[in-house]
Amino acid sequence: KNQVEQSPQSLIILEGKNCTLQCNYTVSPFSNLRWYKQDTGRGPVSLTIMTFSENTKSNGRYTATLDADTKQSSLHITASQLSDSASYICVVSEISGTYKYIFGTGTRLKVLA
Amino acid sequence: DVKVTQSSRYLVKRTGEKVFLECVQDMDHENMFWYRQDPGLGLRLIYFSYDVKMKEKGDIPEGYSVSREKKERFSLILESASTNQTSMYLCASSVMEAYNEQFFGPGTRLTVL
Repeated sequence: KNQVEQSPQSLIILEGKNCTLQCNYTVSPFSNLRWYKQDTGRGPVSLTIMTFSENTKSNGRYTATLDADTKQSSLHITASQLSDSASYICVVSEISGTYKYIFGTGTRLKVLA
Repeated sequence: DVKVTQSSRYLVKRTGEKVFLECVQDMDHENMFWYRQDPGLGLRLIYFSYDVKMKEKGDIPEGYSVSREKKERFSLILESASTNQTSMYLCASSVMEAYNEQFFGPGTRLTVL
């Protein structure tokens, strides 16, 4: 069964610190992987998108990495800010052109002042 | 910017009522989706539409129906609301090609009493 697992489930860090969120998947055949940020009570917003041939993608203080061989991805947040407090969702799609998106359950990040 | 809007942010209904959730996107996207999001679970696909009047069942279609009479509008219908349909409902849209990034609406938090 195609699955996407994220860890940790929740994380608390102090403002200014870095953190890394993990995403492991079993989806095959794999097309691309996205990281979304979802603020409380809002819809998810895309941070990065990577195909199987890409292994790093940055968006400001957010850097996503992908190892298609081990089927692992990580999202690294540098110099965290209070506004980074949100849930981060990893989404993997099977093959391009389909609607088959597999969502992880997310990591809830809390940044404290 | 892509904009996906949903008719209500919060909705309270009684068991047995017929409920309509509306979603409108302004970017001429072919694909539209309805998901529900519950604590501890990833987003689960209810229905998907890739064109006007076309629809496909997702992973959890039971108790729901959809309507897509115009390209920009995708409606989710709960024929007879039940308490286990209390959830956050998210609408999304995407183009058919490229990376198939999904753009999400703000969500509707539905409570069925």
